[in-house]
Amino acid sequence: AQSVTQPDIHITVSEGASLELRCNYSYGATPYLFWYVQSPGQGLQLLLKYFSGDTLVQGIKGFEAEFKRSQSSFNLRKPSVHWSDAAEYFCAVGENRDDKIIFGKGTRLHILP
Amino acid sequence: DAGITQSPRHKVTETGTPVTLRCHQTENHRYMYWYRQDPGHGLRLIHYSYGVKDTDKGEVSDGYSVSRSKTEDFLLTLESATSSQTSVYFCAISPSDGSYNEQFFGPGTRLTVL
Repeated sequence: AQSVTQPDIHITVSEGASLELRCNYSYGATPYLFWYVQSPGQGLQLLLKYFSGDTLVQGIKGFEAEFKRSQSSFNLRKPSVHWSDAAEYFCAVGENRDDKIIFGKGTRLHILP
Repeated sequence: DAGITQSPRHKVTETGTPVTLRCHQTENHRYMYWYRQDPGHGLRLIHYSYGVKDTDKGEVSDGYSVSRSKTEDFLLTLESATSSQTSVYFCAISPSDGSYNEQFFGPGTRLTVL
């Protein structure tokens, strides 16, 4: 069965520093992969997605993610974080049936001024 | 933003009472989903619908039922609410036009069962 692991429950970085959030997935075929962001009290917003093609995917708000099949990873990166990036980030894998998605448990990002 | 609304946005109820949450979309998307979000668990799928009157169970369906009589509305019912169903509930939609699609989420309903 598909699964998604986000190893880090909390991450703290200083404003202006670079960021990498880790995501590992388990899936038998070519996965559909997503990163969503949830600001406090809000719903989930799609940051980026990988379906096929170029393994480096650009998303909104300056985020990017790289699909590495050999490592079963889809890590999210941003070169310089802003205080407004403080939120919870969810990695997810598509189940290729009924457009269902399996979510990781999330990583909460804290930004130091 | 996708046209998804959820009602009510907040609800406090007592154990044993029935509760119905509504998800309404204006996108005419085929697929609709109900999730619950709890600390440390991420989002877990409760039920989903792939068309009018067509629904299926998700990962945590016990204690919940759903109905979809119109494309735009997807109702989640807790027949007899329990404290373990205190959670934030999210509705999502997906166009499912033959290719794989991402889901778009509503703003959520915070439910407290006392």
